[in-house]
Amino acid sequence: QKEVEQDPGPLSVPEGAIVSLNCTYSNSAFQYFMWYRQYSRKGPELLMYTYSSGNKEDGRFTAQVDKSSKYISLFIRDSQPSDSATYLCAMTSHRSGAGSYQLTFGKGTKLSVIP
Amino acid sequence: EPEVTQTPSHQVTQMGQEVILRCVPISNHLYFYWYRQILGQKVEFLVSFYNNEISEKSEIFDDQFSVERPDGSNFTLKIRSTKLEDSAMYFCASSGRGILLHVFYNEQFFGPGTRLTVL
Repeated sequence: QKEVEQDPGPLSVPEGAIVSLNCTYSNSAFQYFMWYRQYSRKGPELLMYTYSSGNKEDGRFTAQVDKSSKYISLFIRDSQPSDSATYLCAMTSHRSGAGSYQLTFGKGTKLSVIP
Repeated sequence: EPEVTQTPSHQVTQMGQEVILRCVPISNHLYFYWYRQILGQKVEFLVSFYNNEISEKSEIFDDQFSVERPDGSNFTLKIRSTKLEDSAMYFCASSGRGILLHVFYNEQFFGPGTRLTVL
């Protein structure tokens, strides 16, 4: 079983739509969950992170984590053409006192928001 | 705004040749990383580096790979004898001083990547 699964899309939505992006994972040691956005020819850029289960909201973006189901989501409200990018989920476990950590990524979902 | 830079943006090499990929992390960061992404596949962790030594490495990071911080600003990834399957985008990342706790998060900043093509 792959550690992190993410539907690669592509996903195409009209401007203003609500977008739902999802990942499932198998490693119960993961405690930190992140969403990265990657534009063409650029490196991944952190969009949001959450620790453990729950919701987190930042403007038009909401991240949800359900550890019991090993399922994370990113919702984008009022999507804009500038949101067109590849969205990568990533996660890591906690090592007490450690400053460095390795990220385990999903495959990424390519999103296009059509004006 | 400070950013991670990588050179070259594209490197073409012959199988069996040595390549060195270069990165300049954000200046006050302490933790450095290399990831790679084979075309159409996931971004995969290779290695983390702190205080002039490797902190963690993945199974991918075998004896053909090495990392070095030769001076106060550069961080390099060397592949000694490249194989066709080493063709990928290689991302460097760096993060700061913080400890990864739920009350404080230590973001990894990624560079734009170096595309390595092995012929």
